[in-house]
Amino acid sequence: KAGVTQTPRYLIKTRGQQVTLSCSPISGHRSVSWYQQTPGQGLQFLFEYFSETQRNKGNFPGRFSGRQFSNSRSEMNVSTLELGDSALYLCASSSDTGIRTEAFFGQGTRLTVV
Amino acid sequence: AQSVTQPDIHITVSEGASLELRCNYSYGATPYLFWYVQSPGQGLQLLLKYFSGDTLVQGIKGFEAEFKRSQSSFNLRKPSVHWSDAAEYFCAVGADNAGNMLTFGGGTRLMVKP
Repeated sequence: KAGVTQTPRYLIKTRGQQVTLSCSPISGHRSVSWYQQTPGQGLQFLFEYFSETQRNKGNFPGRFSGRQFSNSRSEMNVSTLELGDSALYLCASSSDTGIRTEAFFGQGTRLTVV
Repeated sequence: AQSVTQPDIHITVSEGASLELRCNYSYGATPYLFWYVQSPGQGLQLLLKYFSGDTLVQGIKGFEAEFKRSQSSFNLRKPSVHWSDAAEYFCAVGADNAGNMLTFGGGTRLMVKP
């Protein structure tokens, strides 16, 4: 069974640009969560999508947005990039929403903003 | 709001020695507690979780953790560390009413001396 696939693995963008990251969950999983990992702030929850609906949102500015498609694939978008957005962005896939269902993480997308 | 503290940023142990990584949480209700491991350049892998019941939980790779409500702790232990255990370890807490959202501690980087 294929794991969680995040593309691209590495990305370099310039300040002010926008970026779209993609996450394909494990087949049959309907929940996708996104996290930002930085050396300074650690792992922080961005948002969760379940059945194409945003279920929870972390404390991030509106420049961070996401969506989920009918096949459960999810994208997150960051507009007007800032240097501080440089981070490892991790996606987690779960079969259902609710903390008792195990989350499986992808390898992440490393975003560098220059 | 929940929070997680991992007091030790770095820990070095000798191969074959025992290991204990500390985790303290803050949450008003019964917490859902997790330990994850992250190897360099990789996503997170679930080691073990506690929802309720027996306060000593067994996980993969020979790890165990003990939930102590009176101390608000969920420390991770391993009786004999292997060189391959060198990685970063994250404690996390979840809640019933927050979907799949996890709040992570800052992480503890484990180094293993030969």
